[in-house]
Amino acid sequence: SQQGEEDPQALSIQEGENATMNCSYKTSINNLQWYRQNSGRGLVHLILIRSNEREKHSGRLRVTLDTSKKSSSLLITASRAADTASYFCAPKGSARQLTFGSGTQLTVLP
Amino acid sequence: KAGVTQTPRYLIKTRGQQVTLSCSPISGHRSVSWYQQTPGQGLQFLFEYFSETQRNKGNFPGRFSGRQFSNSRSEMNVSTLELGDSALYLCASSLGPNNEQFFGPGTRLTVL
Repeated sequence: SQQGEEDPQALSIQEGENATMNCSYKTSINNLQWYRQNSGRGLVHLILIRSNEREKHSGRLRVTLDTSKKSSSLLITASRAADTASYFCAPKGSARQLTFGSGTQLTVLP
Repeated sequence: KAGVTQTPRYLIKTRGQQVTLSCSPISGHRSVSWYQQTPGQGLQFLFEYFSETQRNKGNFPGRFSGRQFSNSRSEMNVSTLELGDSALYLCASSLGPNNEQFFGPGTRLTVL
């Protein structure tokens, strides 16, 4: 299956620090997407990185992709309390649907 | 551009009833996918519609069904509700199967 596994399951940091979360997957992909979900709400699309890309930036977000290791990482710099949320990766292969792991629960303490 | 909208946002039903949830995709998006999210099972794919045809289906019983209209709006129906159907139901739309999926706010279904 194309399910991504996020690591760590939970992360707690102070405001202003950087947060790094990782994603591993098992089969080849066309792209990998990262999403954020605030408690009980819909998912917000953060970044899509294609299999031929190694790094992508969006504001305070930096995503890397290493297809040889079948892994991706999401870095949030200068974190804020508003970044508190669950973060999911969704590796996208030939299957039409996205498959999600359990996510990383990020808590940013003021 | 307006985002994905879902109605209703909250719903309370009793066991045995049926329910219909609605999703309006972003204008121009022809692919609509549905997901169920529960604390125990996480986010699980239900089905995807593209150009009014179901293209893919997750591992859910036949009580879960859906359809898509010519304007790309989609509905999902759950018949003979069970307590375990209590969940957040999320709809996502995209231009196509390899594009970003944009999610709606979800419908919180509670089955009593």
